[in-house]
Amino acid sequence: GENVEQHPSTLSVQEGDSAVIKCTYSDSASNYFPWYKQELGKGPQLIIDIRSNVGEKKDQRIAVTLNKTAKHFSLHITETQPEDSAVYFCAALYTGTYKYIFGTGTRLKVLA
Amino acid sequence: DGGITQSPKYLFRKEGQNVTLSCEQNLNHDAMYWYRQDPGQGLRLIYYSQIVNDFQKGDIAEGYSVSREKKESFPLTVTSAQKNPTAFYLCASSTRSGGVDTQYFGPGTRLTVL
Repeated sequence: GENVEQHPSTLSVQEGDSAVIKCTYSDSASNYFPWYKQELGKGPQLIIDIRSNVGEKKDQRIAVTLNKTAKHFSLHITETQPEDSAVYFCAALYTGTYKYIFGTGTRLKVLA
Repeated sequence: DGGITQSPKYLFRKEGQNVTLSCEQNLNHDAMYWYRQDPGQGLRLIYYSQIVNDFQKGDIAEGYSVSREKKESFPLTVTSAQKNPTAFYLCASSTRSGGVDTQYFGPGTRLTVL
């Protein structure tokens, strides 16, 4: 069935260190994988996305990698800052239904 | 955010009452979605609409209803049949770019049943 697993559920890092969040999807037909950042009481904000024909994408301190064979994709944040503290969600677009399936979220805390 | 508005930001409802949450977008997006988020949880799909005058049930549609009479509007009604409606409700819309749908979210409505 449609499922996205996300790990870890919580992550604490020291300011300046890197953070990595991993997701696994179940449907090999998925072709689009966005990442969202959600601050307390606000709607999720799209921060980066990747399409299935690309293995890696970078945007300043943020990068996403995709391994289609293993059905894994990961978010990498380098040089973390306190303002990176938030909940991060991964998602996969299932082309059969055109529904987004979301991971359960990772609460990232960047310690100053 | 960025062209998707939800109102009100906070909503209080007495048990047994229906309540309607508003979602409007000026992005000219064809598809619109409603999600429910419980504290510390992920997003669960309630209803979605790919085109005007058409919509489909998501994973937790029971106790909810929607309409899509206009492209820019997708209101959600939480009926008295929804047993546990207290939650954060998020509306989203999407556009097709490069063959896939890029989805954006509104700021959310927090519904509390008294």
